[in-house]
Amino acid sequence: GESVGLHLPTLSVQEGDNSIINCAYSNSASDYFIWYKQESGKGPQFIIDIRSNMDKRQGQRVTVLLNKTVKHLSLQIAATQPGDSAVYFCAENADSSYKLIFGSGTRLLVRP
Amino acid sequence: DAGITQSPRHKVTETGTPVTLRCHQTENHRYMYWYRQDPGHGLRLIHYSYGVKDTDKGEVSDGYSVSRSKTEDFLLTLESATSSQTSVYFCAISGAGGKVEAFFGQGTRLTVV
Repeated sequence: GESVGLHLPTLSVQEGDNSIINCAYSNSASDYFIWYKQESGKGPQFIIDIRSNMDKRQGQRVTVLLNKTVKHLSLQIAATQPGDSAVYFCAENADSSYKLIFGSGTRLLVRP
Repeated sequence: DAGITQSPRHKVTETGTPVTLRCHQTENHRYMYWYRQDPGHGLRLIHYSYGVKDTDKGEVSDGYSVSRSKTEDFLLTLESATSSQTSVYFCAISGAGGKVEAFFGQGTRLTVV
């Protein structure tokens, strides 16, 4: 069945370093992907998205890379800051159904 | 908060009682969703709606029902609450401007004792 998963449940990085959070998906029909950030006690917040006709998309300090060959998605955060500490989820959408399937999340811890 | 409000924010209820959670939006999004979030499971889709009176099941719909009588409101009902339904419930909205990205509410923490 369709599934979205994450390689690392917890990622600890030094403040100022770059962070890379990975995600694998299994549905080759998925054509839209989103990264969300969830801080403690809050709902997930949209970070960045990418469509399957793209390999890379950049935002402010964040970059999403999509490798359709191996069904892999990554979120890169440049110059990680304490405020980046949160749980990050990838989500996929297929068949223009407007249903989003979420992975189990990766916790990012930023060391001062 | 993208114009989305969940109520109540916290609730404790007894096993076997019915419970209704409310999601209200002011953004005129076509699609509305109910997710539950549990440790180790991430966000799992319970039900979603693609229009007034149009709803469909998600991946964990057993024990839940939904209703959408108007665009703004999407109700989630636990017909007979069980301890396994203790969770944090999130409502989300999407579809404005044809976009798939979903905006989430602040969540409702439900405890079934």
